[in-house]
Amino acid sequence: AQSVSQHNHHVILSEAASLELGCNYSYGGTVNLFWYVQYPGQHLQLLLKYFSGDPLVKGIKGFEAEFIKSKFSFNLRKPSVQWSDTAEYFCAVNAGSGAGSYQLTFGKGTKLSVIP
Amino acid sequence: NAGVTQTPKFRILKIGQSMTLQCAQDMNHNYMYWYRQDPGMGLKLIYYSVGAGITDKGEVPNGYNVSRSTTEDFPLRLELAAPSQTSVYFCASSRRAGQGHYGYTFGSGTRLTVV
Repeated sequence: AQSVSQHNHHVILSEAASLELGCNYSYGGTVNLFWYVQYPGQHLQLLLKYFSGDPLVKGIKGFEAEFIKSKFSFNLRKPSVQWSDTAEYFCAVNAGSGAGSYQLTFGKGTKLSVIP
Repeated sequence: NAGVTQTPKFRILKIGQSMTLQCAQDMNHNYMYWYRQDPGMGLKLIYYSVGAGITDKGEVPNGYNVSRSTTEDFPLRLELAAPSQTSVYFCASSRRAGQGHYGYTFGSGTRLTVV
């Protein structure tokens, strides 16, 4: 079964600091990878996704993520965070084929607090 | 606007009561899902459906039931509410193309408290 690990439970940064949130998954085959963001009191929204091709994926609001297959990782980055990035971030994985592969498996989330 | 609509947004239930959380999507997505979100635990899949008339259990199905009579609707039923079902419930839908998964579209959630 797929699993997703997000190693940081809570990250606190000052505005303009750089961000990197870790995500590792445990499936050895073809995967689709996602990062979702949940602002306080809201539902999850898609930040970016990786299917194939260029392992560096750019998403909305200046976020990017790099897929490193050899490390089973899909870390989220942003060069300079803003107070408005305060939210919870979820990494998710979908096995690329096979029965039951339409489901996403989510990590437990990382809370990001940005201090003005 | 196209998307996933959940009702109600908030609900307080007494132990033993029952209720149905409604979910509807207008994107003609085949796949629909119900998750619960608890603090620090991420999202846990309760039930899912791959099309009208087809449902299956996810990771945490006990205490819940679903039905999928149409492509658009996927209601979640709690028969005998228990305090352990206090949570935020999200409905989601997706489509799948041959080359990969496009991700979920989420509803705005239902915050349920069982007292």
